[in-house]
Amino acid sequence: GQQLNQSPQSMFIQEGEDVSMNCTSSSIFNTWLWYKQDPGEGPVLLIALYKAGELTSNGRLTAQFGITRKDSFLNISASIPSDVGIYFCAGPDFGNEKLTFGTGTRLTIIP
Amino acid sequence: EADIYQTPRYLVIGTGKKITLECSQTMGHDKMYWYQQDPGMELHLIHYSYGVNSTEKGDLSSESTVSRIRTEHFPLTLESARPSHTSQYLCASSVNRGPLLEKLFFGSGTQLSVL
Repeated sequence: GQQLNQSPQSMFIQEGEDVSMNCTSSSIFNTWLWYKQDPGEGPVLLIALYKAGELTSNGRLTAQFGITRKDSFLNISASIPSDVGIYFCAGPDFGNEKLTFGTGTRLTIIP
Repeated sequence: EADIYQTPRYLVIGTGKKITLECSQTMGHDKMYWYQQDPGMELHLIHYSYGVNSTEKGDLSSESTVSRIRTEHFPLTLESARPSHTSQYLCASSVNRGPLLEKLFFGSGTQLSVL
């Protein structure tokens, strides 16, 4: 099946720093989704991307749909404590019926 | 705002017990899903449903079973729990059609520990 690899696997940053993470696929996706999972909760959708090259923002978050359609990027500017969690990329299968999730990037803010 | 509920939040049971994890949504979504997630790891689809009386196995093989007798209810059952079943189980649903088709709304999950 489709595989989504995220990097880095984990990040340790100080409050106020900017964050960049990416997601790469072994196959083409027509949609990219970015979710965030807080500890002990289910993932929540942050941003959805539908066209190659698309750049979309949601507050301090900005995500881009890669031109090759095999990757996507998420940036967080001026990180704050509530940004802590695991960030997952995801994409629908060819029939648009199921989502495949990436391996996740765990973000930790160092005091 | 998504309205999807899972109970219990936490469950600790002994080996061999039969358990049912409950999931309900009040959004009228036809599509529902069960994902299994080990701590800090990726989500693996184990079951999904397109609507009443429809159930399919997901990408990850699971000894659990599901049923969909009512639109709003998608319970997951383990006939005989084992320590290898220890994991977090996440239920989700998605809208039926249109550009939001692939957006999932998740419940808070059930953390299952089998001793």
